[in-house]
Amino acid sequence: AQKITQTQPGMFVQEKEAVTLDCTYDTSDPSYGLFWYKQPSSGEMIFLIYQGSYDQQNATEGRYSLNFQKARKSANLVISASQLGDSAMYFCAMREGPSGGYQKVTFGTGTKLQVIP
Amino acid sequence: GAVVSQHPSWVICKSGTSVKIECRSLDFQATTMFWYRQFPKQSLMLMATSNEGSKATYEQGVEKDKFLINHASLTLSTLTVTSAHPEDSSFYICSAIRGRSSYEQYFGPGTRLTVT
Repeated sequence: AQKITQTQPGMFVQEKEAVTLDCTYDTSDPSYGLFWYKQPSSGEMIFLIYQGSYDQQNATEGRYSLNFQKARKSANLVISASQLGDSAMYFCAMREGPSGGYQKVTFGTGTKLQVIP
Repeated sequence: GAVVSQHPSWVICKSGTSVKIECRSLDFQATTMFWYRQFPKQSLMLMATSNEGSKATYEQGVEKDKFLINHASLTLSTLTVTSAHPEDSSFYICSAIRGRSSYEQYFGPGTRLTVT
């Protein structure tokens, strides 16, 4: 079974509109972390936002927010007020395992977001 | 934010030779580093988890004798691709976790390896 599922291979959004990128995950570990990364064409992975499994509130970082629904095992990324520079690949990832010990990180297949002027 | 560097950023080598890629955390100590490879238009595949001072833990299907990982210090991990073949051509990315109890994971800019 896939650990991280991103069902949207590609998305379009109008500039200044909001967009939601879907991510569902599968784990039996009670302690885990969920991440979203942006990868522009240059290839570098840019950290956007993090949600811990025990965090009570949804994470927010500027225009990025993470809609964490633990019971549904979903961690969707919401980008508000899209900008042309947001066009990139977006990866959802999950880290399992104890801090300081062996940790496994799994990435989803990614969603290519294109912002239309 | 924290900075992780990789060297070289790209390398071309001949089949049968070995290539070493360095991953450095420039402004923090990284107890754990990860090595990934990414094929064009695909996701990142975790190759191995490297903890400072101990042997790396390799993911299933990754040959540890071919992809040698050494995490000799809290700021440096190296990946050596031994006896490289054209199918090893890929984008290799490292990441580092700041501290023992932090979730913060920072990625290097990647190294593009082309084996001819």
